[in-house]
Amino acid sequence: EIVMTQSPATLSVSPGERATLSCRASQSLSSNLAWYQQKPGQTPRLLIYGASTRATGIPARFSGSGSGTEFTLTISSLQSEDFAVYYCHHYNNWPPWWTFGQGTKVEIK
Amino acid sequence: QVHLVESGGGVVQPGGSLRLSCAASGFTFSGCGMHWVRQAPGKGLEWVAFIRYDGSNKYYADSVKGRFTISRDNSKSTLFLQMNSLRDEDTAVYYCASDIVVVAAKNYWGQGTLVTVSS
Repeated sequence: EIVMTQSPATLSVSPGERATLSCRASQSLSSNLAWYQQKPGQTPRLLIYGASTRATGIPARFSGSGSGTEFTLTISSLQSEDFAVYYCHHYNNWPPWWTFGQGTKVEIK
Repeated sequence: QVHLVESGGGVVQPGGSLRLSCAASGFTFSGCGMHWVRQAPGKGLEWVAFIRYDGSNKYYADSVKGRFTISRDNSKSTLFLQMNSLRDEDTAVYYCASDIVVVAAKNYWGQGTLVTVSS
């Protein structure tokens, strides 16, 4: 079983600053890694898949990087609408299990 | 426009059963693997189950194996989750979600339906 560990649990950032979120997998994932954003009372929204490909409609300030066991989501200049919880997500090819990290809350500093 | 609409949630006693439905529209449901994901109050996301686009393969999280059954009716573009022997720890918002559709560069999620297991 693959375990996804996100850090930090909470990230306090001022608007306009850069935010860097980390996700570590207990074993190599190749590039089957996605990132989601979830705001209170809302459905998770896919931001990044394939470790670094932005989903449709996602602003360029969101970028993903990494491979193997270490992955990063970077928000280059935080906007007010970006304060939310972010989850990393491993999607296995086959069997098609999904595994989520425990989430990183990005809050206003 | 894509819509996934879950229904069937509610309050049930421990040991009881519920059947969730997820009605899909706006994309090729019959060509898409589908998942159920749940989120306990104030907690993170937990994958529950998967069904292949044609229903030929199904996979479950260990926490629900033997109690939950995922199924689909492609003629009605509907996904189901039959939940039996419900426990307190099954209390959560249940979302249906599609595999990532590479040609669309996104995946699709419903708005969720709340299941509360309580005596």
